[in-house]
Amino acid sequence: DAKTTQPPSMDCAEGRAANLPCNHSTISGNEYVYWYRQIHSQGPQYIIHGLKNNETNEMASLIITEDRKSSTLILPHATLRDTAVYYCIVRLWDSNYQLIWGAGTKLIIKP
Amino acid sequence: DADVTQTPRNRITKTGKRIMLECSQTKGHDRMYWYRQDPGLGLRLIYYSFDVKDINKGEISDGYSVSRQAQAKFSLSLESAIPNQTALYFCATRDRVLDTQYFGPGTRLTVL
Repeated sequence: DAKTTQPPSMDCAEGRAANLPCNHSTISGNEYVYWYRQIHSQGPQYIIHGLKNNETNEMASLIITEDRKSSTLILPHATLRDTAVYYCIVRLWDSNYQLIWGAGTKLIIKP
Repeated sequence: DADVTQTPRNRITKTGKRIMLECSQTKGHDRMYWYRQDPGLGLRLIYYSFDVKDINKGEISDGYSVSRQAQAKFSLSLESAIPNQTALYFCATRDRVLDTQYFGPGTRLTVL
């Protein structure tokens, strides 16, 4: 079973920040939080990952709460092309790299 | 050109037929993966390979087999296809330094 909980769907207006929540209350100290997205049945695309510090890259920001039981992916200026299913995954940093995928959040960006 | 390619992109076959899905990558990664995705669900791992001589079963390997012909090539076979293997199949590679996976475009397989 997936170790994360995400809302099944969300809407966001184009140009606004999209904030996608993820609960991972059973996360262990050495598990990372990863975010991927999948645009209309294409291959999933890596977005960002982090352990406990907030992270930012050219695509998004990842905010992890101090107790690490939840996180938020922020797309700062959402565009129509950001409409996708977003997956939050927790995983140990090890050589196996078995990602456990939940159903994700369907994010719809509206004009 | 895409870094991870899959062939065919779409395939319709009949129950009992043998099917091979192929994956090639130009990223130079030693780790490769096969996943399946059913409608409305996340991906599930079928097989993964750490190098040419290292093949491992994933969560749902029954009914599937794989072959790692070279570092760049990883094939998935369905020896005798059945209708509940109808799904979207993805191949992926892993960058060990960045710890990210790169996915192919997927193969849509329909078993009648």
